[in-house]
Amino acid sequence: DQQVKQNSPSLSVQEGRISILNCDYTNSMFDYFLWYKKYPAEGPTFLISISSIKDKNEDGRFTVFLNKSAKHLSLHIVPSQPGDSAVYFCAASARSSGSARQLTFGSGTQLTVLP
Amino acid sequence: KAGVTQTPRYLIKTRGQQVTLSCSPISGHRSVSWYQQTPGQGLQFLFEYFSETQRNKGNFPGRFSGRQFSNSRSEMNVSTLELGDSALYLCASSFGTYSRDYGYTFGSGTRLTVV
Repeated sequence: DQQVKQNSPSLSVQEGRISILNCDYTNSMFDYFLWYKKYPAEGPTFLISISSIKDKNEDGRFTVFLNKSAKHLSLHIVPSQPGDSAVYFCAASARSSGSARQLTFGSGTQLTVLP
Repeated sequence: KAGVTQTPRYLIKTRGQQVTLSCSPISGHRSVSWYQQTPGQGLQFLFEYFSETQRNKGNFPGRFSGRQFSNSRSEMNVSTLELGDSALYLCASSFGTYSRDYGYTFGSGTRLTVV
């Protein structure tokens, strides 16, 4: 059972326009959400996060929105640049066994920004 | 501060062989998690080690095993390799505690090809 879902495997956007990447989750115990960006042959790098007590977090061109009632979050990139072309993973965090936190990842969305 | 180091970067093995991958976490981090990435499957959690103990385990067969040393370095072993084990194996480092961990730092991964 996939607890974090990214239903769009790919997205193409024109340079300068807005990119919107979506993510849905099912586990109500998740209290922290993150987006990672991954280039080929590299490990994912942290992009932006949001706590469940907020509904929006902004960092430069990147904004993450959280809708807890819908169990949905989205990442907005404005304006999109060709260098943003990468796979974006949504991840959710909750306390797991012991005193640990564990990340659960979605399957990723390949974003292509066209010049 | 040094990042997460994974060795080797690339590996080619034959079916039936076994392989050992290594991960050195960020200094001070006590948790090491391993993930498998295959095309279209996102990041599949293998296991997590904290203070030399396996704390969490994903849904992988017993051919996949790991360990962690007293200096927090971790190794992952795959025995009796199958073609389907070809993937990018990622190691992620974190403090390993609920209050301090909101995300992981990933290494660049080991690309394993089984022929």
